[in-house]
Amino acid sequence: DVKVTQSSRYLVKRTGEKVFLECVQDMDHENMFWYRQDPGLGLRLIYFSYDVKMKEKGDIPEGYSVSREKKERFSLILESASTNQTSMYLCASSLRSTEAFFGQGTRLTVV
Amino acid sequence: AQSVTQLGSHVSVSEGALVLLRCNYSSSVPPYLFWYVQYPNQGLQLLLKYTTGATLVKGINGFEAEFKKSETSFHLTKPSAHMSDAAEYFCAVIRGGQAGTALIFGKGTTLSVSS
Repeated sequence: DVKVTQSSRYLVKRTGEKVFLECVQDMDHENMFWYRQDPGLGLRLIYFSYDVKMKEKGDIPEGYSVSREKKERFSLILESASTNQTSMYLCASSLRSTEAFFGQGTRLTVV
Repeated sequence: AQSVTQLGSHVSVSEGALVLLRCNYSSSVPPYLFWYVQYPNQGLQLLLKYTTGATLVKGINGFEAEFKKSETSFHLTKPSAHMSDAAEYFCAVIRGGQAGTALIFGKGTTLSVSS
């Protein structure tokens, strides 16, 4: 089975902190994704990566950056956390043009 | 750009009743479409997918969906609801970028099942 592992289930950070969310997949997938999930808004794509060191902006990239130095690992970075970034963050991976497999999510609270 | 719209943010049915969750898509190319389910405090799980071929697609847990190009729809159905079907359901479409592809989701429909 494909496994996508997010480093934390729950995280509390202070406003202005730099925050790293880590994601690892074990199936040699080319694509990796970061979404945020908010009630009534569904899943919104922040960034995705289609290869090592390659990235593409999603629909809501402002305030975020990403890093993919190894194929299995994809990091989401909040440069300066703000309260409006309090949300559920979901990582996923896929082969090209196929379904994505999701991690359990990280619930981030910024205070 | 490809997108999906889910009609109805909340659907309530009685146990044993038909489940119908609506999804319409927008795409200038033949779409790849998906339905996912999310149970409370869990990640998303794939229910079924349509890529090419047969337009009626069967998934897990008795769900199925029919791709109708003329109606740009991909509605999810189940003949008889069970209490365990209560969850949030998301329709998704693959969107192609300059160098990669990504799944784009609708806003979700919460299904409630009453006894």
